[in-house]
Amino acid sequence: KQEVTQIPAALSVPEGENLVLNCSFTDSAIYNLQWFRQDPGKGLTSLLLIQSSQREQTSGRLNASLDKSSGRSTLYIAASQPGDSATYLCAVGLSNDYKLSFGAGTTVTVRA
Amino acid sequence: DAGVIQSPRHEVTEMGQEVTLRCKPISGHNSLFWYRQTMMRGLELLIYFNNNVPIDDSGMPEDRFSAKMPNASFSTLKIQPSEPRDSAVYFCASSRRAPQLQPQHFGDGTRLSIL
Repeated sequence: KQEVTQIPAALSVPEGENLVLNCSFTDSAIYNLQWFRQDPGKGLTSLLLIQSSQREQTSGRLNASLDKSSGRSTLYIAASQPGDSATYLCAVGLSNDYKLSFGAGTTVTVRA
Repeated sequence: DAGVIQSPRHEVTEMGQEVTLRCKPISGHNSLFWYRQTMMRGLELLIYFNNNVPIDDSGMPEDRFSAKMPNASFSTLKIQPSEPRDSAVYFCASSRRAPQLQPQHFGDGTRLSIL
């Protein structure tokens, strides 16, 4: 069974600092990995999707890397802003399987 | 793009009552997912439909839970009878053709409280 872990559970940084969020998974035979953002009282918004054949994906200030061999992914958010405050979840898709295994998330607070 | 629409946003009802949650997926998406989110268990997949057909309902907790997708633009999740332990946020998500390749788009959820 795929286990997805996100550490730390919560993170508080001053505005302008770069954010580094970690995700680890136990089964390296993944199909893809997604990073989601969840705002309070809202659903999940997909930020980046990395296929298993890719090493990283970038969108604006966001960059996600994937290292299948070590079972890790990292989400970098450059020059954080108060609007980046949210919970960030990673989800792993297994090969030939539509199911996603979600981590518990990291709650980020960016202080103005 | 209107996004995934769920209703109601909040539901408070007494134990034993029937609860029906509704979902309208994004037009053109042919995969639909129902999830439940709790503090204790995080996000759990309840059921997955592809082209309106239930493919995997192994996550449905008990026979009290049932889901239908009568057409491509509507799905329901029903709990009968409801119990306090069913209290959670229920999300509907949809994606296009190959869910493994396309991101899932989530609705804002229904926050369900069973008293």
